[in-house]
Amino acid sequence: ETGVTQTPRHLVMGMTNKKSLKCEQHLGHNAMYWYKQSAKKPLELMFVYSLEERVENNSVPSRFSPECPNSSHLFLHLHTLQPEDSALYLCASSQDRPSYNEQFFGPGTRLTVL
Amino acid sequence: AQTVTQSQPEMSVQEAETVTLSCTYDTSESDYYLFWYKQPPSRQMILVIRQEAYKQQNATENRFSVNFQKAAKSFSLKISDSQLGDAAMYFCAYRSAFGNNDMRFGAGTRLTVKP
Repeated sequence: ETGVTQTPRHLVMGMTNKKSLKCEQHLGHNAMYWYKQSAKKPLELMFVYSLEERVENNSVPSRFSPECPNSSHLFLHLHTLQPEDSALYLCASSQDRPSYNEQFFGPGTRLTVL
Repeated sequence: AQTVTQSQPEMSVQEAETVTLSCTYDTSESDYYLFWYKQPPSRQMILVIRQEAYKQQNATENRFSVNFQKAAKSFSLKISDSQLGDAAMYFCAYRSAFGNNDMRFGAGTRLTVKP
């Protein structure tokens, strides 16, 4: 396991539910990321927080709402999701600069929307 | 926008043999970084190797090496002396040296290692 943890590891929710995914990094990084991983598709960057400010959201639907209360924690709030939102959601962290810094990934949350 | 293409959804290699995974990318930038990540089954994604575009020398990490062809925008990963533990999804990724934090990933190649 790396220094990035995610909870829960598995989540099943109905389309009317509200849930939150949590990510925590213990590496002293100043940037955190949410990715969506679907089968046979490239990882899709959803949100980036650098120094606790959101810098990109890549046109993600508003039913996904990120929150970054401090440099160690990142949340993804979910509401009224669709079945096509079922995927593995990965959190990552890194030092923002220089750009060759690697991103450290968490184990992911496997989300199933019924 | 930059795109990363991995044309091999699946690859197979015999244990102890060598395999090469392909990756091409599209960019108009001159300075950037390229990465190969490994995602073992049900385990976290980890960095395998990275290459800085302004360096002509190909990066190597033990049994892993890259063939970086900047003009052709190609960045292949060679795994020598393949081991059972190398079985995983491999993702190629691109990151600009400028501006944003966006890292672009390919769709991945699933590598199977046969004993």
